[in-house]
Amino acid sequence: DAKTTQPNSMESNEEEPVHLPCNHSTISGTDYIHWYRQLPSQGPEYVIHGLTSNVNNRMASLAIAEDRKSSTLILHRATLRDAAVYYCILGLAGYALNFGKGTSLLVTP
Amino acid sequence: DADVTQTPRNRITKTGKRIMLECSQTKGHDRMYWYRQDPGLGLRLIYYSFDVKDINKGEISDGYSVSRQAQAKFSLSLESAIPNQTALYFCATSEANTGELFFGEGSRLTVL
Repeated sequence: DAKTTQPNSMESNEEEPVHLPCNHSTISGTDYIHWYRQLPSQGPEYVIHGLTSNVNNRMASLAIAEDRKSSTLILHRATLRDAAVYYCILGLAGYALNFGKGTSLLVTP
Repeated sequence: DADVTQTPRNRITKTGKRIMLECSQTKGHDRMYWYRQDPGLGLRLIYYSFDVKDINKGEISDGYSVSRQAQAKFSLSLESAIPNQTALYFCATSEANTGELFFGEGSRLTVL
């Protein structure tokens, strides 16, 4: 399986944008890039996913590099509720996904 | 009510005991999954099922078995629990083509 590399932790100030990076140099042509997050004491929740083009939804934006070897999850205005572990995962849509360790995001007031 | 329900939410048991964790869903999804989470290790896939007659091993299936009793029910069993199976277990569901996994609230298992 193709692997992803994420920083262990990041810190952001409340109400500022956050850019969470993910490297995936061995991504295959059929792999989607999925992002999930896990709030404290909860199960993971879906954030966004994409294949080649940048994607936007109500929670975040996903910027995918032209060569697809990296991507960035963008939270446009961080809130305290966005403090969570963010997972970048490669895989087919609707298929079993293997979660790594993710990036722990700390948001400070 | 939660769309993906796990029972029990917490369980303490002893080494050698048989344990079953149950998952039921009201989302109408065909695909169901069991994951295990250990501190600092993220989530690891144990088993997954794409329909009632389909069962597949995940990354860490040794020591576990599953049963897909119906489209809405997927159970995880530990035939003889051991302490290193102490972990937080999550059930999840998905549709075939949307790519979104829906997780339950987790079952915390402690094996003494």
